[in-house]
Amino acid sequence: ELKVEQNPLFLSMQEGKNYTIYCNYSTTSDRLYWYRQDPGKSLESLFVLLSNGAVKQEGRLMASLDTKARLSTLHITAAVHDLSATYFCAVDIGGTASKLTFGTGTRLQVTL
Amino acid sequence: DSGVTQTPKHLITATGQRVTLRCSPRSGDLSVYWYQQSLDQGLQFLIQYYNGEERAKGNILERFSAQQFPDLHSELNLSSLELGDSALYFCASSLRQGSSPLHFGNGTRLTVT
Repeated sequence: ELKVEQNPLFLSMQEGKNYTIYCNYSTTSDRLYWYRQDPGKSLESLFVLLSNGAVKQEGRLMASLDTKARLSTLHITAAVHDLSATYFCAVDIGGTASKLTFGTGTRLQVTL
Repeated sequence: DSGVTQTPKHLITATGQRVTLRCSPRSGDLSVYWYQQSLDQGLQFLIQYYNGEERAKGNILERFSAQQFPDLHSELNLSSLELGDSALYFCASSLRQGSSPLHFGNGTRLTVT
């Protein structure tokens, strides 16, 4: 059974600081997604990583994928308050029965 | 706005009852997924349909069932409800299986009293 673990589970950081969220998964996969969820809201797709070494950047967020290490990272640069949310990684092992297995989520709180 | 529409937004019902949650996927999307989000279980995949056919099943209880209709909308039926079924139920859709990200609806918050 595929397991997806994120750490940390909770992250409080000051504005302007950098930090990285880690996502480890237990089964070979080359499809990984990052989502953002604001409290009580839906999930918003941030990044789609489809190959080993893939790197995507959008604003202050950068995601990367290392399929050999079964690891993805979400790096936050110079955090701002608007980035406060819960971030989920999700892994798809592919095949005809495609489904996403989500990590536990990392709740990010950016303080002024 | 993801383009995925879920109704109702909120549902309050009693134990033992049955409810139906409805989802309209984004225009053109053929795949529909149902997820349950709760504090203790996190985001759990329930079931997936592709163009009317069931394609994948996750941790879906036997009391729960779903279907996708010819117009591609989907319904999730929850019966013999228990307190532990209280959760946020999300529907998501994608153009095709595999490399497409899922686009999530705003969810239906189910409270079982």
